[in-house]
Amino acid sequence: KAGVTQTPRYLIKTRGQQVTLSCSPISGHRSVSWYQQTPGQGLQFLFEYFSETQRNKGNFPGRFSGRQFSNSRSEMNVSTLELGDSALYLCASSLGGGAGANVLTFGAGSRLTVL
Amino acid sequence: AQSVTQLGSHVSVSEGALVLLRCNYSSSVPPYLFWYVQYPNQGLQLLLKYTSAATLVKGINGFEAEFKKSETSFHLTKPSAHMSDAAEYFCAVSEGDGGNNRLAFGKGNQVVVIP
Repeated sequence: KAGVTQTPRYLIKTRGQQVTLSCSPISGHRSVSWYQQTPGQGLQFLFEYFSETQRNKGNFPGRFSGRQFSNSRSEMNVSTLELGDSALYLCASSLGGGAGANVLTFGAGSRLTVL
Repeated sequence: AQSVTQLGSHVSVSEGALVLLRCNYSSSVPPYLFWYVQYPNQGLQLLLKYTSAATLVKGINGFEAEFKKSETSFHLTKPSAHMSDAAEYFCAVSEGDGGNNRLAFGKGNQVVVIP
């Protein structure tokens, strides 16, 4: 079955612009999480959506936002881009409910460069 | 809050030698623990997970990890390194109860395999 699909894979923006990244989860997965990966800070949790509701949020400024649609697809938006927002943004999906650990399946990521 | 420590950002190992990557975690509740691998320009792939069923966990590609509660450790090993094992490895912890998919990642170990 198809994996987690992220678009676009690469993009270049300039400071002050805004960007929207898209994530299509594995069919049947209701949870979508977003992570930022940078050489300096490593992998940091941004937020998680489950059934169109934000269930968890990391320590990022309000410029970072997201949403989830009824088909579980998710988008994240970064407004007023800063140089430090340059990163690989990873989306991960999981079944999301029930007891026990939910294994995250990651997409290949969207690499954002801010000039 | 949960956290993970991985020492030694770069690890060099000879082909055929033991691979040992150390992971220590901090968690206020019994944790779920994971090892992920990341190849260049790709997302993260799950190697193995600990969910309290067994302390010795076997994963893909010949990797295994042992959970030691007394040492708060979850070290990853592979008896014989292969060139294809060159990648970055991340240990992660979740306090999720099934309703929380938030993972805290270590800084990662870049593994270099020497022929």
